[in-house]
Amino acid sequence: NAGVTQTPKFRILKIGQSMTLQCTQDMNHNYMYWYRQDPGMGLKLIYYSVGAGITDKGEVPNGYNVSRSTTEDFPLRLELAAPSQTSVYFCASSSANPYEQYFGPGTRLTVT
Amino acid sequence: TQLLEQSPQFLSIQEGENLTVYCNSSSVFSSLQWYRQEPGEGPVLLVTVVTGGEVKKLKRLTFQFGDARKDSSLHITAAQPGDTGLYLCAAISSGSARQLTFGSGTQLTVLP
Repeated sequence: NAGVTQTPKFRILKIGQSMTLQCTQDMNHNYMYWYRQDPGMGLKLIYYSVGAGITDKGEVPNGYNVSRSTTEDFPLRLELAAPSQTSVYFCASSSANPYEQYFGPGTRLTVT
Repeated sequence: TQLLEQSPQFLSIQEGENLTVYCNSSSVFSSLQWYRQEPGEGPVLLVTVVTGGEVKKLKRLTFQFGDARKDSSLHITAAQPGDTGLYLCAAISSGSARQLTFGSGTQLTVLP
């Protein structure tokens, strides 16, 4: 019953450092998503993928990159961390029908 | 991008009280979902509404989709401390990419 797993759970970065947030799902879902959630706010879509090898930008893609080499994995890359990227990051996956997004537990990232 | 406004932003009530939270947009939704998010976890789907005027019940929770499909409400009867959480509405895009646009959420606290 793993569902969507994310690592790490917490991370502190210094300005200018880079890191990759990992996301894996074991439900054979084609659709995968990355969101960020700032305090007291809803979720904003960063990037999404409709299948292996296909990715596209969401609402707030600047400063991030993704890849989708397999159905299971959808890592999110931060190249030059900035304080504005301090947030909680959620990965999600979904099948086409029924349409329900399953979320991972999140990664809390602080950039100082 | 479809803008979803949720109200109230915060709500604190006593156990046993009833409450209603709202989700509104100036645009027509193709369909809409409600999620609940507990601290330190990702959102979990509660319901999907598709048809204008639709009413769905989930135990003490009643979800309504406006006739014009521009608004939705969530009513909780006899709230319990276990209902505490962030309630998010999300509109499903009509395109093949199947994206969600989230509202900013209603933070509900039910006091024992």
